[in-house]
Amino acid sequence: AAGVIQSPRHLIKEKRETATLKCYPIPRHDTVYWYQQGPGQDPQFLISFYEKMQSDKGSIPDRFSAQQFSDYHSELNMSSLELGDSALYFCASSSGEGGRPNTGELFFGEGSRLTVL
Amino acid sequence: AQKVTQAQTEISVVEKEDVTLDCVYETRDTTYYLFWYKQPPSGELVFLIRRNSFDEQNEISGRYSWNFQKSTSSFNFTITASQVVDSAVYFCALSEVTGANNLFFGTGTRLTVIP
Repeated sequence: AAGVIQSPRHLIKEKRETATLKCYPIPRHDTVYWYQQGPGQDPQFLISFYEKMQSDKGSIPDRFSAQQFSDYHSELNMSSLELGDSALYFCASSSGEGGRPNTGELFFGEGSRLTVL
Repeated sequence: AQKVTQAQTEISVVEKEDVTLDCVYETRDTTYYLFWYKQPPSGELVFLIRRNSFDEQNEISGRYSWNFQKSTSSFNFTITASQVVDSAVYFCALSEVTGANNLFFGTGTRLTVIP
């Protein structure tokens, strides 16, 4: 079965550069979540989208932005990268129900590892 | 606000021993989901189980079993006859149906199984 696809799997950037991560949800899933996991940390929720609209916002820095496109894929844009942005970035998807995102069935991608030098 | 506590930061056991990973949660929602994820050294998050707050039945899947006690807000995970391949970080997580629309993770327990 198709899973959540994240690209790139690994990315190396310099400080102050920009990076873009992409997430392709499971077909027919309309909700996408982004999580950031620093070294030795638990995954922290950044932001989510339901039906192409932002549905919830967590600890996402102002330097980061994200959107969900008409085909439901999502992109996380990170600018003015800092050393502390080095982390594993997970995308997850689910299928909304009752007009709301449904976190009862959440599927994670394999993550994109960003290293900022 | 929701909170997930995994008091055990690291556990080491010898192969074939049983081990229980504790998880205590807090939520104001009456309907919620509880999860366990495994994160091996390769980094991906592997889904293990999802439990609905209305379903307090314990579950067993092979060497894995889960004990959901709503009265104590706990959702503990036991691995029987541990194996080296069980070495990983295990995360307990909570999502609220009517509250925050995201998955909230505990800080994880690093399990090391010694051969």
